[in-house]
Parts: sequence; structure tokens; C-alpha cells
Amino acid sequence: DSGVTQTPKHLITATGQRVTLRCSPRSGDLSVYWYQQSLDQGLQFLIQYYNGEERAKGNILERFSAQQFPDLHSELNLSSLELGDSALYFCASSVALLGNTIYFGEGSWLTVV
Amino acid sequence: TQLLEQSPQFLSIQEGENLTVYCNSSSVFSSLQWYRQEPGEGPVLLVTVVTGGEVKKLKRLTFQFGDARKDSSLHITAAQPGDTGLYLCAGSGNTGKLIFGQGTTLQVKP
Repeated sequence: DSGVTQTPKHLITATGQRVTLRCSPRSGDLSVYWYQQSLDQGLQFLIQYYNGEERAKGNILERFSAQQFPDLHSELNLSSLELGDSALYFCASSVALLGNTIYFGEGSWLTVV
Repeated sequence: TQLLEQSPQFLSIQEGENLTVYCNSSSVFSSLQWYRQEPGEGPVLLVTVVTGGEVKKLKRLTFQFGDARKDSSLHITAAQPGDTGLYLCAGSGNTGKLIFGQGTTLQVKP
């Protein structure tokens, strides 16, 4: 158990819909990261927050957004869902902003039908 | 753009064999990490290497960071079925974000 909690574990939704994935980082960790993992793209970095502020952006679509709340939990919002958005979405956390070990949650399986 | 290329992408071997997985880049990384991921679970950190030329051992696993900090290797001695999984290397670059390789899927058959 990494200490990073993600909900829901599995989600099936229709194209065009919107979903929210939730992440609670390890106790004491200020950085939260979101990654998308699909069979053809591997593990892709989406976005990083540190202490409530966005600090790095990766290959995140405009239809996706995220935020980190004052209690440090984070949400990833996926809207206007397409079939190609079906993937495993991971949240990870670390203590500081740069050059640290990050710990992954178990992921949220999203299936868009 | 910093990229990490892993090879091979797939490896199927018999129990007891040795294997090496490579992680290469044209960029320098401040540190490099190796993760192992099992189906339906998140990647789990195995090791972090920081110094060029560094070698770390974790039981039957040996990790090496290249002298120029652009590449790394993972060597498994006498592989066991329990070693089966997806092995990912990840580099911490100049932006601080962790960049992952595509992964090496290892299957160890009993």
C-alpha cells in the first residue's frame, strides 16, 4: 500500500459524458501528479500540482482539467469523453516539488463506451 | 523534449535464466528510477540511482546508471515467475517532472 488513495477504481461511462477522478495523496506529501496509461501510449504525464498550485503540465487535453484543494486532495475532471479516453488514470504524490520519489495509487480504470 | 527508450519491449524467458533491460536517452537525467507494475496495480518503486556509474543491488536485481547519466540497465539473475510484470524506467529531468519509458513486459515461465 503506497498510501495514495484513488476513487473510483473502475468507471464505465458513455461518450460525451463527464467524470471526476479523485485522489488523496500520502500523508505529508504536497505534490500530486496525474498520469494516463494506455496500451499504445504507455504512461503519460498529464499534470502536477504542488501545494494547491499547478506546477507542470504534460500531454493533457483541453477537455481535461485538474485541481488540488486546500486539504491537498486532487481531482481530475474529464469531459466530452471519447472512446480513446479509455485508460488507466494514476495519481501519484511526493513530498516536494522536484527530484523526489513519487508514489503511485492503484489507479482508476475508465472505460468509455 | 526528453525521451527514454526501453528495450526490449517484450521478453519471455524460462525460470532460471538471466536477463537485462535497457533504458536509453540522449538527454542527461538528474536521477533515474526503476518501477515494477503488476496488472491492475500502480507502479511500485524498486530503486533510484543518482550518481553516474552507480550500481545498486536489490536481491537478484542489479541496477546501473550510466557514467554520463543518460542510460541505465536492470539485470535480473536467475529469474523467477514472481518477477513477471511490467518494468518501467523513469528519469527526473530539468523540469522536475518524471518522464517514463514505454516499459518492458517480462514473462518468466516456470
